[in-house]
Amino acid sequence: GAVVSQHPSRVICKSGTSVKIECRSLDFQATTMFWYRQFPKKSLMLMATSNEGSKATYEQGVEKDKFLINHASLTLSTLTVTSAHPEDSSFYICSAESQRGGIDTQYFGPGTRLTVL
Amino acid sequence: DAKTTQPPSMDCAEGRAANLPCNHSTISGNEYVYWYRQIHSQGPQYIIHGLKNNETNEMASLIITEDRKSSTLILPHATLRDTAVYYCIVMGGGGSNYKLTFGKGTLLTVNP
Repeated sequence: GAVVSQHPSRVICKSGTSVKIECRSLDFQATTMFWYRQFPKKSLMLMATSNEGSKATYEQGVEKDKFLINHASLTLSTLTVTSAHPEDSSFYICSAESQRGGIDTQYFGPGTRLTVL
Repeated sequence: DAKTTQPPSMDCAEGRAANLPCNHSTISGNEYVYWYRQIHSQGPQYIIHGLKNNETNEMASLIITEDRKSSTLILPHATLRDTAVYYCIVMGGGGSNYKLTFGKGTLLTVNP
């Protein structure tokens, strides 16, 4: 149980285009999902917290107009990187929060490797 | 959330137990200890969490000291596939929107 999927797993795009990444909780409902970014040889950095039916909360330094997050259902959150540039190339990972047994536990997707040319 | 300190790297022989330490001396009473691992180029994998009692599941055991200032993750019979970066994270577990803050973790290398 507690499986999270991401699509696509890998994407290459041209500079200036937009890319949408989907995150799905497959066997549980998640009121809260999180989006992280990881640069090579670095640790995961939280970008934003996404709550179903409301606006996302972004971490300091993350541009909300560039990284659009939509959490329209209890099993799906999307991250859209708008007008992508080479510096946005990174490993994007989502997680979904499960509250089994009253304890919050985040389960992570496999990640999406974004390369902007 | 309380900070954690982990050794940057450890080695373990295949088939032996891997014991990964974590210090969290500023942990507060309602904070849990979570362990995740990340195999290269994959998303982190949840391993185990605990509050004050020792915990065991199909993946690992978590030993938390009585004063809760440190803990040890034990992989009883390490395999080559256990080579990964292991993260010890302290976080409040009683509500929503709690954030995981990833440090540098411990790179565990299991050798044949």
